[in-house]
Formats: sequence, C-alpha cells, structure tokens
Amino acid sequence: GAGVSQTPSNKVTEKGKYVELRCDPISGHTALYWYRQSLGQGPEFLIYFQGTGAADDSGLPNDRFFAVRPEGSVSTLKIQRTERGDSAVYLCASSSGPNTGELFFGEGSRLTVL
Amino acid sequence: GQNIDQPTEMTATEGAIVQINCTYQTSGFNGLFWYQQHAGEAPTFLSYNVLDGLEEKGRFSSFLSRSKGYSYLLLKELQMKDSASYLCAVRDQTGANNLFFGTGTRLTVIP
Repeated sequence: GAGVSQTPSNKVTEKGKYVELRCDPISGHTALYWYRQSLGQGPEFLIYFQGTGAADDSGLPNDRFFAVRPEGSVSTLKIQRTERGDSAVYLCASSSGPNTGELFFGEGSRLTVL
Repeated sequence: GQNIDQPTEMTATEGAIVQINCTYQTSGFNGLFWYQQHAGEAPTFLSYNVLDGLEEKGRFSSFLSRSKGYSYLLLKELQMKDSASYLCAVRDQTGANNLFFGTGTRLTVIP
C-alpha cells in the first residue's frame, strides 16, 4: 500500500489476555520499527527489524512482549498476559533502510487493557 | 543513554512566529529530526538536520548546533492548522536508524 498500515486501530481487552497487533510497512521498506506512545508522551522505542531479524529489541519492556517479521514484510507485535499499564498507542514505522532518512509512521493501534 | 528535553506546551497567535527548542544529551548522534503529530494521528516528518546550521523548508525551519546539543524548530506565519504536538528526535549512531523521541511540545495557535 501507499503508507504504513496497522490493524486493529482499536483494541479493548481484559487484563491477562493475549493480544496481537499487526503492521504492514511501505512496500520495499526493509527496516521496521515498533514504538509505544502513552498520552502526552513521545514515542518510546520497542524493537527494530532489518529484514526478518530483530536487530535491536532493547526497548521491549519485559518478556511478555514479543515481535516477529517472518517474511521481512508484515510484522506482528504480541503481548502476553496483558496488564493495565500496557494501555497505549502502539505505533509502527518503516524506512527504506538503516541511516536512510525519515521513518514513516502508521496511524497506530490503540490498546486499552481493562 | 538518551535525554531529550523540550517544553511541554506553548501558545502562539495566528500569523506570528514561534520557536520550539530542543536540547539533547545522547550516547551517540547521527542526525536530529522534527515530527508533527496532530491529536490521534501518526507523526509526520518535518525536517532533518545532521550538520550545524539552518535548514529551511517553506514556513518551517530547523536549526542544529551539535556542540551545544541544541536544536530549534521555527514556524512562521502560523496557521490554526499548525496546532499540534512537535516531536524532537535524535537518531543514534548504531546504524539502526532508530529514533529517540522527546516528550513533544504541544503548540496551540490562537486567533
């Protein structure tokens, strides 16, 4: 597609449930990033993929969070045993490669954990 | 680590000029970005500086001083639609193109 696409746009779940958030980057972009943004804050880095591999996952807050990108295009962020503190907007971004200019962001997936 | 500071909120009048400052202390530096984010929307790219000096793009300009760890975004001829959050972000030096963001400055343009 023309831009970064994220689904679902909104997800409401209960504490303890499992959630998957999907990101479809701009076609041909090899670099993909996940960020988390809480209200009134800037985006917080979670994980970066170059191709299929996670080149940097230092931002994942704990082992409940995991992300994959099996074919080097679409990525899924997986959150196990959700907690109320996980509520945020999860932003995905892509770029044509490392050190190649700006990141293009999707609209985000708003996660609410009740 | 990374520390990026910018004012939380600013208010300016339609037609005026506003300067949003950003200071940073990072373990590595490979460029500074400014993004605009309207409420409930994705951040969109405004400008990029990697060398010292001023980059001008229409009504928006961005300045960088690497020795001072300082940047500003200058918005001229303010319009109501410029009301948004403005995010300062520093790219690290690892080659990952990863950006570290400040908390953002929420600008309100008033008539």
